[in-house]
Amino acid sequence: AQSVAQPEDQVNVAEGNPLTVKCTYSVSGNPYLFWYVQYPNRGLQFLLKYITGDNLVKGSYGFEAEFNKSQTSFHLKKPSALVSDSALYFCAVRERGSYIPTFGRGTSLIVHP
Amino acid sequence: GAVVSQHPSRVICKSGTSVKIECRSLDFQATTMFWYRQFPKQSLMLMATSNEGSKATYEQGVEKDKFLINHASLTLSTLTVTSAHPEDSSFYICSAIELAGVPSTDTQYFGPGTRLTVL
Repeated sequence: AQSVAQPEDQVNVAEGNPLTVKCTYSVSGNPYLFWYVQYPNRGLQFLLKYITGDNLVKGSYGFEAEFNKSQTSFHLKKPSALVSDSALYFCAVRERGSYIPTFGRGTSLIVHP
Repeated sequence: GAVVSQHPSRVICKSGTSVKIECRSLDFQATTMFWYRQFPKQSLMLMATSNEGSKATYEQGVEKDKFLINHASLTLSTLTVTSAHPEDSSFYICSAIELAGVPSTDTQYFGPGTRLTVL
């Protein structure tokens, strides 16, 4: 069985400061990991994914995530937050061979001017 | 990147009527499409998975006779909410996986969602 946890309902950060949105997962074997962002009344937009290779994955809008196998984590990061980054962020995990991901409950990121 | 569209973006209907939502992959062929339901400030709940030309696979607790899914082509899937009631009001999102590439690594691309309000 696969599962993913986003331990924070909300993350607050000042504009210009680095941000981290946390995600931990549980799967059998090696995971496929994804981050999506959702703006109000919109669908999810793909940010980045980890399949294999480099543990540091770079994605859209300056976001990156680091795959840490020993800690079973895939935290989303950005060096300098923008107010426009304020949105709902979802982490998702998928077992190899499966098309169906499991989504975390989402973390609301609020970037203050 | 791959684009998925949904139509309509918003629909208001009377209780007892049926509503059809379309999901299209615009620039790629989708082997598999997914239908999700999202409640306010909550995560996505997978309703069903549909493959082109075959019956949809519904998640436990989802009424297949109420939420009819048709995946008629590699670019179109439809969700029909039959005899809608106020409790069916929700945000419905579809997603699609591209046919090309290595299936197990393919990314899901999401539509913009449809806000259904049943009066």
